[in-house]
Amino acid sequence: DGGITQSPKYLFRKEGQNVTLSCEQNLNHDAMYWYRQDPGQGLRLIYYSQIVNDFQKGDIAEGYSVSREKKESFPLTVTSAQKNPTAFYLCASTGDPRGQPQHFGDGTRLSIL
Amino acid sequence: DQQVKQNSPSLSVQEGRISILNCDYTNSMFDYFLWYKKYPAEGPTFLISISSIKDKNEDGRFTVFLNKSAKHLSLHIVPSQPGDSAVYFCAASRGNGNKLVFGAGTILRVKS
Repeated sequence: DGGITQSPKYLFRKEGQNVTLSCEQNLNHDAMYWYRQDPGQGLRLIYYSQIVNDFQKGDIAEGYSVSREKKESFPLTVTSAQKNPTAFYLCASTGDPRGQPQHFGDGTRLSIL
Repeated sequence: DQQVKQNSPSLSVQEGRISILNCDYTNSMFDYFLWYKKYPAEGPTFLISISSIKDKNEDGRFTVFLNKSAKHLSLHIVPSQPGDSAVYFCAASRGNGNKLVFGAGTILRVKS
């Protein structure tokens, strides 16, 4: 089945560590996105990529980094510079941002030990 | 600056009745609007969308209405079913649609 796979489902990080969240899609979508959800809030855009080897900052990019070396993969690194990393992270993709909805993975919950 | 607002944190409806979820936006440049449904610990699932050239879009039990002059959209679910109980997010984008702006969500509870 085609879809978006995020791993792991739960992730724990010690203070001062970088962690990388995986996002893989087999939908042949060009555009991919990372969002963060905090309790009682909507999703906020961290980074997005419209094409391989290109990506742009979203609204809350500070403390995060991404790469897009392959069409199907868009990993997100939460760096030690992100002071409040505890959140639910969601990856999405779409075939055409101008007319097609974004489809989401099931998310990764990151917690600080 | 919250550009997309869902002012009702929660809504409770009896099974079989209509559920109406509301969403307001402030950016008149938004031209594409979507509703997503989300269960706990899962990703949002796309429900229905509408472009700014329309004022209504219907898909089965789900209808979205857009009032551009009021910068308001609503999602109607009829009849409501217990399985509809979830968090519903309104989202909007403009131009090439790369950046979706989400509301804070409304928790819908459908009582049987």
